[in-house]
Amino acid sequence: AQKITQTQPGMFVQEKEAVTLDCTYDTSDQSYGLFWYKQPSSGEMIFLIYQGSYDEQNATEGRYSLNFQKARKSANLVISASQLGDSAMYFCAMRVLRGSTLGRLYFGRGTQLTVWP
Amino acid sequence: DTEVTQTPKHLVMGMTNKKSLKCEQHMGHRAMYWYKQKAKKPPELMFVYSYEKLSINESVPSRFSPECPNSSLLNLHLHALQPEDSALYLCASSQPTRSGNTIYFGEGSWLTVV
Repeated sequence: AQKITQTQPGMFVQEKEAVTLDCTYDTSDQSYGLFWYKQPSSGEMIFLIYQGSYDEQNATEGRYSLNFQKARKSANLVISASQLGDSAMYFCAMRVLRGSTLGRLYFGRGTQLTVWP
Repeated sequence: DTEVTQTPKHLVMGMTNKKSLKCEQHMGHRAMYWYKQKAKKPPELMFVYSYEKLSINESVPSRFSPECPNSSLLNLHLHALQPEDSALYLCASSQPTRSGNTIYFGEGSWLTVV
């Protein structure tokens, strides 16, 4: 069974500061992908960053980086230089890359990030 | 800007109505998905289409009927819904390969059943 755990229901950060959102996962599969999505109150689910289980380098996309620690089964999202527009719900998700070619997305419960001036 | 387009953005329907949600993508993806999301919860998978064929139905009630007319379009037909079906409905698409291709979501359709 696959499981994603986000232990921080809410996080607060001051503008221009960095923040880390925690994500741990559990799977017995060796081949999987890890994703972070941002969901503002408007509802759109915005893809932020992806990390494959065989990727040796941590993924980075602009102000977003993924701190991937395979042995600890953690995939924390780091947002540098927070902006007011970063206030949103953030979901960690995993896709197992075996069996069905589609792969399901398993989501964590999300972390509500609030950026204050 | 999202490349998965959903219409309508908001829909209010009575329990006896028949309505449809529409989704379109032009990224050449061959897998398309419907997710349902209740307030303050993560999305829940409903249906998956691969190469225009239904490949996954997560035991969704028959009052929800998906349709994939072609590789770019995905519909969700709604009939005799219940108030508890009120939610955000998200469409998504991806390449159906064994690599970790990203699943891209649309902006969602907010459904209210009265």
